[in-house]
Amino acid sequence: SQTIHQWPATLVQPVGSPLSLECTVEGTSNPNLYWYRQAAGRGLQLLFYSVGIGQISSEVPQNLSASRPQDRQFILSSKKLLLSDSGFYLCAWSVLGQATSGNTIYFGEGSWLTVV
Amino acid sequence: GQQLNQSPQSMFIQEGEDVSMNCTSSSIFNTWLWYKQDPGEGPVLLIALYKAGELTSNGRLTAQFGITRKDSFLNISASIPSDVGIYFCAGQRAGTASKLTFGTGTRLQVTL
Repeated sequence: SQTIHQWPATLVQPVGSPLSLECTVEGTSNPNLYWYRQAAGRGLQLLFYSVGIGQISSEVPQNLSASRPQDRQFILSSKKLLLSDSGFYLCAWSVLGQATSGNTIYFGEGSWLTVV
Repeated sequence: GQQLNQSPQSMFIQEGEDVSMNCTSSSIFNTWLWYKQDPGEGPVLLIALYKAGELTSNGRLTAQFGITRKDSFLNISASIPSDVGIYFCAGQRAGTASKLTFGTGTRLQVTL
């Protein structure tokens, strides 16, 4: 069965410090990978998605970047964090299904980032 | 980014009551998904719908893919305390390269 794991689960970082959140997927090959951000009490905002190694699409202009060095690894980074980067970050994966099954996205456990 | 119109925003119900929530969009979707999120955790997929008119159940949960392909609803029957959480709808439009558009969420509170 497929599993997704992201870490760290929580972190508190000072403004201006770097960030690295890592996500790995097991049990599937060539998944689509995603990074979402969720502000407190609000919906999910897609930040980045990737359909293959080295292929990154950014959905919104921001202080963050993403990389996919391996097929099942997705990394969210920042060189200098801002207060507004605080939030709940979710990694997700999907595999395009057959014509009758569509596309379904599965989420990781999430990472709480507090920038102070 | 674009979000779906999800209603109600929040619900306070008594244990045993039925719950209904829905999502609407001005765009046509070819996939509708319903997720539940507990505090501090990632959303968990409840039901996936892939065909217009499709009605799918998962235990006490039932969801339908609207005929117009612009809406979907989720019903929960005989609610229990563990149903508490935030429910999100999500849809995928054709040609959007595997991206989902999410609703704003319905926060469900269940009282004894």
